[in-house]
Amino acid sequence: QQQVKQSPQSLIVQKGGISIINCAYENTAFDYFPWYQQFPGKGPALLIAIRPDVSEKKEGRFTISFNKSAKQFSLHIMDSQPGDSATYFCAASYAGGTSYGKLTFGQGTILTVHP
Amino acid sequence: EAGVAQSPRYKIIEKRQSVAFWCNPISGHATLYWYQQILGQGPKLLIQFQNNGVVDDSQLPKDRFSAERLKGVDSTLKIQPAKLEDSAVYLCASSLDRQIGGYTFGSGTRLTVV
Repeated sequence: QQQVKQSPQSLIVQKGGISIINCAYENTAFDYFPWYQQFPGKGPALLIAIRPDVSEKKEGRFTISFNKSAKQFSLHIMDSQPGDSATYFCAASYAGGTSYGKLTFGQGTILTVHP
Repeated sequence: EAGVAQSPRYKIIEKRQSVAFWCNPISGHATLYWYQQILGQGPKLLIQFQNNGVVDDSQLPKDRFSAERLKGVDSTLKIQPAKLEDSAVYLCASSLDRQIGGYTFGSGTRLTVV
């Protein structure tokens, strides 16, 4: 029940295209859903995050879509650039209780954007 | 502000040897986390400290792993004895008092057990 399932494992898009990564969760107690970007040799860095009280959040070229009833959320990268090539992780956490702050990560998606 | 510092960056040891990793969090960050990231997987929480107390160590293999955070600042993670399956990147992260979204990760220590 603690799992966060992420797909696809890898994704190749052309420059200027749209990259879409999907995640699904089981535990309805999760109430914070961030996306992290990780470059080789670096730690994950927070990209964008959403709470379940909204269905969409946009920051620049990055958008999170959230479907609470389906327990799914996705990351859309518009106008994908070669510099976006990285591994992307979805995650889920709790905003309260003893597990506050503990992140459960998906398996990751390796994104390659061809010039 | 300075980021989360970790050392060493890389470590190669033989199985059954011991190894220690060090983490210096961002100044003022009360919460410190150690995550294990096996190649091709997402990070998995090993232990969470709030100041110098342990909040969650439910996924720490306590027969071989230990961690401490003296004086509520720096932290060390130790493995003794190491197994082949411990090969992974060990990430340290810190946040302001378990602040949601306030995580900052270090670059990690890549451990290879041969």
